[in-house]
Amino acid sequence: GQNIDQPTEMTATEGAIVQINCTYQTSGFNGLFWYQQHAGEAPTFLSYNVLDGLEEKGRFSSFLSRSKGYSYLLLKELQMKDSASYLCAPQGGGSYIPTFGRGTSLIVHP
Amino acid sequence: EAQVTQNPRYLITVTGKKLTVTCSQNMNHEYMSWYRQDPGLGLRQIYYSMNVEVTDKGDVPEGYKVSRKEKRNFPLILESPSPNQTSLYFCASGGTGGGETQYFGPGTRLLVL
Repeated sequence: GQNIDQPTEMTATEGAIVQINCTYQTSGFNGLFWYQQHAGEAPTFLSYNVLDGLEEKGRFSSFLSRSKGYSYLLLKELQMKDSASYLCAPQGGGSYIPTFGRGTSLIVHP
Repeated sequence: EAQVTQNPRYLITVTGKKLTVTCSQNMNHEYMSWYRQDPGLGLRQIYYSMNVEVTDKGDVPEGYKVSRKEKRNFPLILESPSPNQTSLYFCASGGTGGGETQYFGPGTRLLVL
């Protein structure tokens, strides 16, 4: 199985920057997804990292360190609509099918 | 439009009354999966299918059945629902390559009385 650890909840102010960390333990690691999920809605794809380093995509960036089993999602210029749950999902066990963490609930306040 | 559809979106039923939640995708994906989501527990995989006529148990398969007779459809069957199966259910489909994401259906909210 895979051990995925991410904070349960975070709060931040509109316009600020927030970093959501994820650590994982898995053999046969292939890559790592981040998904966004608004309350009661389906998860949607945000990013995918397979190599070490930072991938930037507009206000959102994702970082991966394969050797440390560590990833983070960086959200800049926070907006109220960024209030959602963020799911870390590594691919492990030699499979390309991701396993989902419990998610980090981000609350953005004015 | 590429999408995953689920029906029904909302369902209230009683203990023991068999029900089926349908899932269909129009992206020709080989991989399909069912998850349930409960507060504090995240997304837990129920069953998945790597192709037609190939299904496997996920982390929480007890009380559920699936079938994959056609590539586009992957119904979830609760033969005898119980209150502990009250949950939000998501169907997903995707490719099986490295960076291929999963696409999720809109969810089915099930209440078993």
